[in-house]
Amino acid sequence: QVQLQQSGPGLVKASETLSLTCSVSGGSISGHYWSWIRQPPGKGLEWIGYIFYSGTTNYNPSLKSRVSISIDASKNQFSLKLTSVTAADTAVYYCARHGDSIVSLFDPWGQGTLVTVSS
Amino acid sequence: SYVLTQPPSVSVAPGKTARITCGGNNIGSKSVHWYQQRPGQAPVLVIYDDTDRPSGIPERFSGSNSGNAATLTISRVEAGDEADYFCQVWDNTSDHWFFGGGTKLTVL
Repeated sequence: QVQLQQSGPGLVKASETLSLTCSVSGGSISGHYWSWIRQPPGKGLEWIGYIFYSGTTNYNPSLKSRVSISIDASKNQFSLKLTSVTAADTAVYYCARHGDSIVSLFDPWGQGTLVTVSS
Repeated sequence: SYVLTQPPSVSVAPGKTARITCGGNNIGSKSVHWYQQRPGQAPVLVIYDDTDRPSGIPERFSGSNSGNAATLTISRVEAGDEADYFCQVWDNTSDHWFFGGGTKLTVL
């Protein structure tokens, strides 16, 4: 059973870069789409972007100028970078795998990382 | 952009049926997925492709989708069903993913 384990700092200073990594176990990162999703405190879910194992990416237009998702197949992990963060970027960040045959869904999800942007 | 509209909250007594709607322009032409999120936990898929249940999800959970609304139905509601529920679609035109604002289900 595929499991996703997230790592990265929970506190980032305003104007700096948020960096998170998602490590995949129980399966290969190859052949799948992988996404990052975030949830501001007490609010709904927002899709940030995806990466295909080949390296192809697609980002939410609202974040496109600041976001980068990369993949390291040799380590079976993928990463998120969000530059020039502000308080509005404070959220729980999740990594997720797209479905095997139904790429439009997310399953499973990582445990989530609360990232707080401090001034 | 594609907007999905959910009621902020739904309340139901134990043993009764809860219905959570997800409105969107011609949403019936899209595949809708539903996620359950308990407090402090990551979302879990409970319905995919409008009506299908992943393994391990009780038969009490069902879904439908037609016209401009999709519905998640939870029969014989239990206290453990109390959670936030989110609908989600993929827009094939933009190749982007969208979530509803979420509905908090309260079991009275």
